[in-house]
Amino acid sequence: NAGVTQTPKFQVLKTGQSMTLQCAQDMNHEYMSWYRQDPGMGLRLIHYSVGAGITDQGEVPNGYNVSRSTTEDFPLRLLSAAPSQTSVYFCASSYGAGMNTEAFFGQGTRLTVV
Amino acid sequence: AQTVTQSQPEMSVQEAETVTLSCTYDTSESDYYLFWYKQPPSRQMILVIRQEAYKQQNATENRFSVNFQKAAKSFSLKISDSQLGDAAMYFCAYRVFHSGYALNFGKGTSLLVTP
Repeated sequence: NAGVTQTPKFQVLKTGQSMTLQCAQDMNHEYMSWYRQDPGMGLRLIHYSVGAGITDQGEVPNGYNVSRSTTEDFPLRLLSAAPSQTSVYFCASSYGAGMNTEAFFGQGTRLTVV
Repeated sequence: AQTVTQSQPEMSVQEAETVTLSCTYDTSESDYYLFWYKQPPSRQMILVIRQEAYKQQNATENRFSVNFQKAAKSFSLKISDSQLGDAAMYFCAYRVFHSGYALNFGKGTSLLVTP
């Protein structure tokens, strides 16, 4: 059982480049989300999804796109990277209400934009 | 905007002692869940303890317990018999349905454990 898998673990981009951060889960979770973690700021929600084909914006969505074509995958796209997007990115998944409300996190991706 | 407040950016505790990390939150929802997550230097996010808002009884997990005061919107974490391995960043968070059960995090408290 792999849980939540994020790739890559580290990435350096030049300003203006685009890239996709991959996130996959094998727990058949409906809910998936992306967060960014900056020093002194905790984790802030970028986008989330409540199921295949359904996504919505979180607190800091600008500069990021998402899609959810399958239950398992929830990629995060940076359209034109900026130094302000230098951060650690986490993907998480969970069931909804009920007993299994724990969110499972990937190992994170450290992204540096130069 | 973040609506979870952790007023202690850093805390220190001696091994075997008890420490309490504070957290307050603000939500108008009646149904929500509260969590404490631990993040060691490996940056892995580890669930420490969770509390359903409709449950009045405070959750306990081994050396970790919470003091949940719903009316005051307070959710503090108590760590008893602190161990060196407890040193980490601790995040308080809540989840509500309207944001797809995504987590709202506080800014975190860095816990140092001294021998």
